[in-house]
Amino acid sequence: DAKTTQPPSMDCAEGRAANLPCNHSTISGNEYVYWYRQIHSQGPQYIIHGLKNNETNEMASLIITEDRKSSTLILPHATLRDTAVYYCIVRVPGGFKTIFGAGTRLFVKA
Amino acid sequence: DVKVTQSSRYLVKRTGEKVFLECVQDMDHENMFWYRQDPGLGLRLIYFSYDVKMKEKGDIPEGYSVSREKKERFSLILESASTNQTSMYLCASSTPMGGGETQYFGPGTRLTVL
Repeated sequence: DAKTTQPPSMDCAEGRAANLPCNHSTISGNEYVYWYRQIHSQGPQYIIHGLKNNETNEMASLIITEDRKSSTLILPHATLRDTAVYYCIVRVPGGFKTIFGAGTRLFVKA
Repeated sequence: DVKVTQSSRYLVKRTGEKVFLECVQDMDHENMFWYRQDPGLGLRLIYFSYDVKMKEKGDIPEGYSVSREKKERFSLILESASTNQTSMYLCASSTPMGGGETQYFGPGTRLTVL
């Protein structure tokens, strides 16, 4: 599985969009990009995933660049409850190992 | 909604005790996983199972064993607990979805070994 690079921390004002970047320059053609988040003292929570097209669900949007070497998770209207560590992961389908890096600690401020 | 439950949120045991951590999922997922999470080290895979009675070692299996007798239940066993096994333990299950494979996590068990 390819490695990912994320900024260690970011701030966002409540009600504004939070844009969390991720670099995965060694991603291979069959690897998916996944995003999870972990709120303090809880298990990680699945947010969204994609292969090459942009994806949107009720939680977030995922924008993947055309060369697939980077992606951005967008929380359109961040709330205080979105304060968490956000993990960007790449993995092949059917692969059993999911490598969680250090992630980005997002602070949403009132 | 997928639900993954773990038997305890907090557990305190003594060195040398045998410890059982239980995980149950209600979505008929084939794959189940045990991770531990420590500050600065992220999540590390201990064991996983892709079917009943099947198991595979992850990155840090030493000092642990697992059991999967039923599809919905995956147990992590610490044969003789040691202080360096004090950690947050996370269980997950997964199923193929939308071409990928998504893991769903339980709330975690914070184990302290004295």
